[in-house]
Amino acid sequence: DQQVKQNSPSLSVQEGRISILNCDYTNSMFDYFLWYKKYPAEGPTFLISISSIKDKNEDGRFTVFLNKSAKHLSLHIVPSQPGDSAVYFCAASEFGGYQKVTFGTGTKLQVIP
Amino acid sequence: DVKVTQSSRYLVKRTGEKVFLECVQDMDHENMFWYRQDPGLGLRLIYFSYDVKMKEKGDIPEGYSVSREKKERFSLILESASTNQTSMYLCASSLGLSYNEQFFGPGTRLTVL
Repeated sequence: DQQVKQNSPSLSVQEGRISILNCDYTNSMFDYFLWYKKYPAEGPTFLISISSIKDKNEDGRFTVFLNKSAKHLSLHIVPSQPGDSAVYFCAASEFGGYQKVTFGTGTKLQVIP
Repeated sequence: DVKVTQSSRYLVKRTGEKVFLECVQDMDHENMFWYRQDPGLGLRLIYFSYDVKMKEKGDIPEGYSVSREKKERFSLILESASTNQTSMYLCASSLGLSYNEQFFGPGTRLTVL
């Protein structure tokens, strides 16, 4: 039972354009959401997060949007750069869960120069 | 800088062997986690620990056990390796009970022949 779903396994975007990565979840108890970025042969690194009390969080070129009613979040990268090419994982957790997070299946982003 | 290290980058074992994967973090984090990453399945939690000698099952604990004798070290044990345990294994750590991000090691690519 996949509680966090990333339905697009891959995405290609031209350099300078916007990249939009999507994530859906089914567990209504999730109240904190994170995005991680993973390069080949490296562990994932934290990118940005959002609490369920917000609907938007911004950090430089990265913005995460949360739509609780639709159980949907998205990561926007503007402008996209070749160095952003990586696998992006969406993750979700519930309050009091000792930080146990549930990860999605990942979306491989390719930014074309 | 948080550093999470894993004992091996690549490991090849035979079916039925006992396998130990070691993970060490240097930032005094309370929580430690073991995941496996498989194509199309994302990161799946095997076990986690929120304190020394404490452990909790994750989503796929079958065939695995863990040990946490010291705060900085978390070991994953495959009692009798099988070919379906061929995977990338990732260790992570995080601080306390608040919503802090997890820091990952570089991963161990385990092949079971």
